[in-house]
Amino acid sequence: GQSLEQPSEVTAVEGAIVQINCTYQTSGFYGLSWYQQHDGGAPTFLSYNALDGLEETGRFSSFLSRSDSYGYLLLQELQMKDSASYFCAVRSSTDSWGKFQFGAGTQVVVTP
Amino acid sequence: DAGITQSPRYKITETGRQVTLMCHQTWSHSYMFWYRQDLGHGLRLIYYSAAADITDKGEVPDGYVVSRSKTENFPLTLESATRSQTSVYFCASSESGDEQYFGPGTRLTVT
Repeated sequence: GQSLEQPSEVTAVEGAIVQINCTYQTSGFYGLSWYQQHDGGAPTFLSYNALDGLEETGRFSSFLSRSDSYGYLLLQELQMKDSASYFCAVRSSTDSWGKFQFGAGTQVVVTP
Repeated sequence: DAGITQSPRYKITETGRQVTLMCHQTWSHSYMFWYRQDLGHGLRLIYYSAAADITDKGEVPDGYVVSRSKTENFPLTLESATRSQTSVYFCASSESGDEQYFGPGTRLTVT
């Protein structure tokens, strides 16, 4: 089986930096994905890490440590539009190919 | 228009009725997924498909049926709707599997 843990909520001010951690337990592992979802909207893909290290895409970066079963999403120069829920997701390499599991999500609240 | 669409966007049905939610994508992606989203549970995988005529169960498949006769369509059927199936349903597609594109969702209420 698989399980993922991420904080339920993070609050920060505009311009700040926020780090959302995700720890996972899985019998096998392909990679860690991150998605953003605004209230009432659909999830949108942010990043995918299959190898250890940091991947940077604009203001957002994602990190993975396979040995620690841990990853994080880093949101820099926070803007009001970044207020949303952020989900990490994993796919197990020993389970059926497509059995993705998502974390419960972290709500990021950006204040002026 | 290119993309992934779901219909209907909103549906109210009664307990025991059969309901089919439609999903259509124009990218010719191989992989398609159905998720349900409930407060406090994030997204839970119901069924997925790696190609036409290839489907497999996800985390919460009971009470649902899927088919995929064409690459672009992946309908989800609730055979006999129950109140516990009240949820928001998202369809997603992907070429690689790890970068998924989600449809706008269907908000289903079972009374």
